[in-house]
Amino acid sequence: QKEVEQNSGPLSVPEGAIASLNCTYSDRGSQSFFWYRQYSGKSPELIMFIYSNGDKEDGRFTAQLNKASQYVSLLIRDSQPSDSATYLCAASNFGNEKLTFGTGTRLTIIP
Amino acid sequence: DAGVIQSPRHEVTEMGQEVTLRCKPISGHNSLFWYRQTMMRGLELLIYFNNNVPIDDSGMPEDRFSAKMPNASFSTLKIQPSEPRDSAVYFCASRSSGRALGNEQFFGPGTRLTVL
Repeated sequence: QKEVEQNSGPLSVPEGAIASLNCTYSDRGSQSFFWYRQYSGKSPELIMFIYSNGDKEDGRFTAQLNKASQYVSLLIRDSQPSDSATYLCAASNFGNEKLTFGTGTRLTIIP
Repeated sequence: DAGVIQSPRHEVTEMGQEVTLRCKPISGHNSLFWYRQTMMRGLELLIYFNNNVPIDDSGMPEDRFSAKMPNASFSTLKIQPSEPRDSAVYFCASRSSGRALGNEQFFGPGTRLTVL
């Protein structure tokens, strides 16, 4: 079992709808969680990070963390075709710089 | 300010040859990470350095792989001898280390390696 698990998709969402991406982790020592976006043929780029239980909003993006359930999610509101990419979830332990990545969820926004 | 620089961007080689990948981290960043990405296994951490010292190399697949960081502005990942299963995209990332929970890793453009 991988330490960070994601549904590989593909996930198809109509333009303007809410895209919901999910991630679970097995290491209870994980403290910080990161969402990276990766366009095809490009390198990952950070969208958001979260380390407190609850929601964190940044523009159209909301990250949600539930440590009791070991669950992290990313919501994208008003989805745009430019949001079509692979989304990588990653976790790290406090004081440890190492990130453990999930295999990613491929998201397609349908115009 | 320039981001993480990697070279070459593409490398095609034959099985058994030595391959050297290069990385220049962002100036001022003192942590450097080497990753490998494949469709099957996703993004895997191979090794990371802090202040030029290797901290965790548990992801290095076998003795054919080695990495060095002779100074704060340069690192290499070497594969000798290369095998077809080493074909992947290799990313280098850097970060300003510290205890801040949200310190971001910045990724380079990657090197696409094909071993025939």
